[in-house]
Amino acid sequence: EDKVVQSPLSLVVHEGDTVTLNCSYEVTNFRSLLWYKQEKKAPTFLFMLTSSGIEKKSGRLSSILDKKELSSILNITATQTGDSAIYLCAVSGGAQKLVFGQGTRLTINP
Amino acid sequence: EPEVTQTPSHQVTQMGQEVILRCVPISNHLYFYWYRQILGQKVEFLVSFYNNEISEKSEIFDDQFSVERPDGSNFTLKIRSTKLEDSAMYFCASLGQAQLYFGPGTRLTVT
Repeated sequence: EDKVVQSPLSLVVHEGDTVTLNCSYEVTNFRSLLWYKQEKKAPTFLFMLTSSGIEKKSGRLSSILDKKELSSILNITATQTGDSAIYLCAVSGGAQKLVFGQGTRLTINP
Repeated sequence: EPEVTQTPSHQVTQMGQEVILRCVPISNHLYFYWYRQILGQKVEFLVSFYNNEISEKSEIFDDQFSVERPDGSNFTLKIRSTKLEDSAMYFCASLGQAQLYFGPGTRLTVT
């Protein structure tokens, strides 16, 4: 059975800190790994990673995939209170569906 | 920017009643999905739909569930006889450019 595990489950930091969120997976026929941000309702897309070792960046957020270790990290630098959310990792293992991890709840205190 | 829409935003129903959750996927997308998220738990895959038929479904998607694309735009999820444990946020999604676009969700509360 395909599985995605995220750590930590919860993280509380101060504004300005840098955070690293982890995602590991076990999936047959790996296609891609996606990161989403979930604030109040629907997950919103952040990154899609398909190739190992290539960093994707968007402003203060960046992410990289390690296919050898079956894992990915999401980094957020100079965190702001608006970064507070649940960050979801999902893996596409075929059949065009995503398997989600349980999420990391990130809280940024001013 | 095109987006997935869902109605209603919140549905309250009594146990045993039928509910229909509605979604309008992004118009040029071909794959559609329903996911659910029980409060405090992970997002779970229910069903995928392509070319007017189910392409894959999870164990959660039992005989009480059905999906339909009654016309060229709507995509519905029906729960025939709701149970308390069906209370959750239900997200519709459509696939475009190798990523899923999620709708805002329908919060279903079964009492």
